[in-house]
Amino acid sequence: NAGVTQTPKFQVLKTGQSMTLQCAQDMNHEYMSWYRQDPGMGLRLIHYSVGAGITDQGEVPNGYNVSRSTTEDFPLRLLSAAPSQTSVYFCASSNRDTEAFFGQGTRLTVV
Amino acid sequence: GQQLNQSPQSMFIQEGEDVSMNCTSSSIFNTWLWYKQDPGEGPVLLIALYKAGELTSNGRLTAQFGITRKDSFLNISASIPSDVGIYFCAGRSGTNAGKSTFGDGTTLTVKP
Repeated sequence: NAGVTQTPKFQVLKTGQSMTLQCAQDMNHEYMSWYRQDPGMGLRLIHYSVGAGITDQGEVPNGYNVSRSTTEDFPLRLLSAAPSQTSVYFCASSNRDTEAFFGQGTRLTVV
Repeated sequence: GQQLNQSPQSMFIQEGEDVSMNCTSSSIFNTWLWYKQDPGEGPVLLIALYKAGELTSNGRLTAQFGITRKDSFLNISASIPSDVGIYFCAGRSGTNAGKSTFGDGTTLTVKP
């Protein structure tokens, strides 16, 4: 039982490049979320999903896309990376009976 | 949107001391959560609170859900070096556990 797995752990992008941050959970959780954490700050919600095929925007969605084609996976896409998207990204999963489990994070640097 | 004010921002304490940190919100929450984050890791849930006035313990940790539903505190008794880390409060007003609002964290340093 791996919990929430995020890949890659580290990534450096050039401005304008696109990429997908992967998140997978093996706990059959309904809810999945993406947060970003900037230095000295808490986590801010980017996008979330309450089930396969259903996604919605969080507090800071601009510049990011998500999709939820399966219960297990919730990838986060950066369409055209900007230096302001340099951050640590956390994926989390939960269901009606449990609070959020977080992955170990992806540290992204945009140069 | 909803905002959480978490204080203090950082604490430097001696091993064995007690610690207290708190969060206040501009909005009412129906759930308060406390997480701990170790360097290079994701947050890990310490305590969850679901009822106004609720007081819950987890070992040396005690947290309370404020009666106004706009605040919560976390106490750590008899601190030890492994308590070092960043402590986050989080609150939410709905039932989706993945849609919480987080405070900016309290960084705890424990000197042996």
